[in-house]
Order: sequence, then structure tokens, then C-alpha cells
Amino acid sequence: EADIYQTPRYLVIGTGKKITLECSQTMGHDKMYWYQQDPGMELHLIHYSYGVNSTEKGDLSSESTVSRIRTEHFPLTLESARPSHTSQYLCASSGRSNTGELFFGEGSRLTVL
Amino acid sequence: LAKTTQPISMDSYEGQEVNITCSHNNIATNDYITWYQQFPSQGPRFIIQGYKTKVTNEVASLFIPADRKSSTLSLPRVSLSDTAVYYCLVGDRAGRRALTFGSGTRLQVQP
Repeated sequence: EADIYQTPRYLVIGTGKKITLECSQTMGHDKMYWYQQDPGMELHLIHYSYGVNSTEKGDLSSESTVSRIRTEHFPLTLESARPSHTSQYLCASSGRSNTGELFFGEGSRLTVL
Repeated sequence: LAKTTQPISMDSYEGQEVNITCSHNNIATNDYITWYQQFPSQGPRFIIQGYKTKVTNEVASLFIPADRKSSTLSLPRVSLSDTAVYYCLVGDRAGRRALTFGSGTRLQVQP
């Protein structure tokens, strides 16, 4: 079982609110990722980190920001949520395995009204 | 980055073997081919990975021809629980480049 956790699993919030989606892993993985996925659609990489104090933007432009102050923690923040931010956000990590396997959390489904 | 192309959807029946092919014409020398499975409302899960020839595990087989420009995921004797989206990814195992997922193949298994 992968030890990567996301909270909250579901969040319904009004426009303009600040939200933070939490992601933590206990596997000591250096690399962590945030993907965004709408229902029935493909996953889009929005942020990734190769280690503490390292963050990069992914293929899909996102108004969200991330931080990596601790190895195990990779939170994603939206300063002012909008309905266009409604989506599922999936956090993943990978370590030093031979395969570079990605381990995913269960996702955070965000609905902005 | 190597772009992958897969069929959008496939249908099968329980007990049949399913083969999903992925094209990756621009695969780099250091790239591996990895397949993930995703059920609704869950994150993708690693299935199998290979570099060349054939790889088999308890879940699937992966066939990669000598030119490595394509690969085929083979699922033996599928069941209803194999209904999912299957993604083919190409990248280096060290993770020097973040992995990007394509559209995937939606497999529907009928009774």
C-alpha cells in the first residue's frame, strides 16, 4: 500500500476563498507531483518538486501555487478560488525504486460555487 | 518529450485477452515504457514497465519491438474489474523529466 495521503477528499467552497490542499507521504520520496483531472478527462501535470525548496510548473498552466519546505509535505494553495478551479487534484510521489513508479493519493475533489 | 498515442476506447468480454497498443515514435534511448491503470475517482496505479522485448508480471505482459516505437499491454482473461482507463507513459526511470499522462485507453469489459 502506498503511504501518500491527501486532505480534504472533498471540498465545496465559495468563490474568492483561499484553499489549501494537503499532501503528505511517509515513504521519504524526493519527487512529488500535483496533477489535475476533470471527470473522464486526462491527467494534467500542474506542479512538481524534485526535493526540498525545489518546485516547478508543469505542462498545464495553473493559478495554484505549491511549496516544499519538508520532504514529506507538498501542499497546493489557491489564493482565490473560482468556479473554473473545480476539478480533482491528485498528488503523487516517486522515490528511488528501479521503476520510478508514481504512487498516487486518493485525490481531492474541489467544487467552487 | 516522447508523445504517446493510444486508442481512445476498447470493448471486450470477460475471459478474453485484451491487447492495448501505444505508439511512441520519439522515444529516447534512456526512456522506459510504463503502463498505469486508473479506476474512477482514484489515482492511477502502476501496472508494468519495460525497456525492450517482453516483460511479464502477475497482472499483465508488455511487448516491445526492437525499434521501441510502440508497445503493447496484454491483459490475459479480463474480468469486469479490469474496466478502467489504461495509460502508456514514456520517460526515464530516474525521474529527470516529470511524467505526463496522455489521454489513455478506456477499456470496457462486458459480461
